[in-house]
Amino acid sequence: DTAVSQTPKYLVTQMGNDKSIKCEQNLGHDTMYWYKQDSKKFLKIMFSYNNKELIINETVPNRFSPKSPDKAHLNLHINSLELGDSAVYFCASSLGKNRRASTEAFFGQGTRLTVV
Amino acid sequence: QKEVEQDPGPLSVPEGAIVSLNCTYSNSAFQYFMWYRQYSRKGPELLMYTYSSGNKEDGRFTAQVDKSSKYISLFIRDSQPSDSATYLCAMTKGGGYNKLIFGAGTRLAVHP
Repeated sequence: DTAVSQTPKYLVTQMGNDKSIKCEQNLGHDTMYWYKQDSKKFLKIMFSYNNKELIINETVPNRFSPKSPDKAHLNLHINSLELGDSAVYFCASSLGKNRRASTEAFFGQGTRLTVV
Repeated sequence: QKEVEQDPGPLSVPEGAIVSLNCTYSNSAFQYFMWYRQYSRKGPELLMYTYSSGNKEDGRFTAQVDKSSKYISLFIRDSQPSDSATYLCAMTKGGGYNKLIFGAGTRLAVHP
């Protein structure tokens, strides 16, 4: 009965590799997000999709490419991984725009990425 | 200067104490204010939600928003060891698609 689930939970990889993180939500939400939490616990939005359409794209290197095959899934692919990419990546979801509920985001457990 | 400032702590209190957590912000367009609780190695979970200025109470938790001062607070009464976590304030403008702007989080430890 997991609401927002991410895989994998842990990811250790070498510099230069390409990796993907998957996210799925079963809440019936139509907006999904990727957030990055750095070592100081600072949580910052990277991307947001609504019904498979990209609506928020913060200043993120183009090595990061989100893909949303349907409104229940949002994956994150990272090319040419760098040491600075090490962080915890959180997927989240919420209801769509113009609703109070659109501000209430539900988060997954996070994917701890370590680049060595 | 960050849009949202939050003292990272850590804050250590004895069980039963009243805890006060605070955030200040610079963007007067923020309308929706939230507090998330994050346990170690877990995702943030929504704790309290407030629209515009005012107070909201839920059990041992009270959220306050003072838009004139650009200041929000979370009070925890009768704190318990299970309240030990990082508390993140978050806020957004609302209307349309929103991105949450988070504070840095305050690490709270409640010791028995």
